[in-house]
Amino acid sequence: SQQGEEDPQALSIQEGENATMNCSYKTSINNLQWYRQNSGRGLVHLILIRSNEREKHSGRLRVTLDTSKKSSSLLITASRAADTASYFCATAPYSSASKIIFGSGTRLSIRP
Amino acid sequence: DADVTQTPRNRITKTGKRIMLECSQTKGHDRMYWYRQDPGLGLQLIYYSFDVKDINKGEISDGYSVSRQAQAKFSLSLESAIPNQTALYFCATSGPSGANEQFFGPGTRLTVL
Repeated sequence: SQQGEEDPQALSIQEGENATMNCSYKTSINNLQWYRQNSGRGLVHLILIRSNEREKHSGRLRVTLDTSKKSSSLLITASRAADTASYFCATAPYSSASKIIFGSGTRLSIRP
Repeated sequence: DADVTQTPRNRITKTGKRIMLECSQTKGHDRMYWYRQDPGLGLQLIYYSFDVKDINKGEISDGYSVSRQAQAKFSLSLESAIPNQTALYFCATSGPSGANEQFFGPGTRLTVL
């Protein structure tokens, strides 16, 4: 079963707007990661946030983590057409540090 | 050259056939993984390996087997393919801890008729 649940499942916004995706999970984690997948291709790692961190930035990406609510959000600012992709959160549970568990993803479409 | 490669990239086969998907990596990582992705869904872990002598089942290992021929090579086999194994298959590697970021291959699109 999948630990992470992304919300929304699909998001369509205008180019230049900000996109926010949310991830909720069930068990205590070591860290949470966000990945991007262009259609039919392999996943690419975007950012990792550890359980003792609350916010992290990387370029136009901002990730927050609230361990009390077991949730994370990914914000993409000033979206571009090239940001069109699926975005997945993945959690590394404390109970099993040997692997990460992926959510079902958010499909983001950027309208020109 | 890509760090994680998969062959074949596309494969169409018939029910009952044995299929092998191959994965090679040049990242020098010990940990390798095989995932399956169904349309519109996330990734499900099939098998993972921490080194050549260590193989572990994932969430959905039934109907699959693996072989870790070397640190750099990890193969996935479908002993007798069935139509509901039609999916995208991804190989990935990671550093010393499975909690590290994973590096993915380009995927193999498998269709079982």
